[in-house]
Amino acid sequence: ILNVEQSPQSLHVQEGDSTNFTCSFPSSNFYALHWYRWETAKSPEALFVMTLNGDEKKKGRISATLNTKEGYSYLYIKGSQPEDSATYLCALANNAGNMLTFGGGTRLMVKP
Amino acid sequence: SQTIHQWPATLVQPVGSPLSLECTVEGTSNPNLYWYRQAAGRGLQLLFYSVGIGQISSEVPQNLSASRPQDRQFILSSKKLLLSDSGFYLCAWTPGLVTYEQYFGPGTRLTVT
Repeated sequence: ILNVEQSPQSLHVQEGDSTNFTCSFPSSNFYALHWYRWETAKSPEALFVMTLNGDEKKKGRISATLNTKEGYSYLYIKGSQPEDSATYLCALANNAGNMLTFGGGTRLMVKP
Repeated sequence: SQTIHQWPATLVQPVGSPLSLECTVEGTSNPNLYWYRQAAGRGLQLLFYSVGIGQISSEVPQNLSASRPQDRQFILSSKKLLLSDSGFYLCAWTPGLVTYEQYFGPGTRLTVT
């Protein structure tokens, strides 16, 4: 069983603030790391799939970085908006590449 | 385009009753299929995955079972529900190995009373 930790568990920010949170995972036998955004009453939606050390991906105001040697990934949101309020999940693929282990998520609430 | 369906959307069942949740995928063939559960206050836990018809891998020992009778159909079952089975159940698919993103269904909220 892979140990995937996310911090903080929850986060309250004001509209316009930039924020970031962390996903930590075992650095050995890395295969892939996923980030998902999960809004209440909706299905989780994929943000990024990251496979290479040093990867940096961006989608609009959201970006992510990956450090496989030290076992962490950061998700950044620039200029948070109320519609960014959601739970952000990271998930680590096993080295067979056929299953994901999810972290507990970071619940972001953006106040207008 | 591909779509994934789950039903029912919500379910309230007494302890000891059976369970059957269904997931179907349209617009793709030979997907990898997954069942996850989110218990109250916890993250997503992988329950089962399947790489083909009749091929089921279980990740967590429990009183649940899964079956894949057709290529694009994945069923989660229990003969006797426990209170601890309450949670939000999500089905997901991916076209191959997990370097591809997973696509999730709308989920089923199960409350065992």
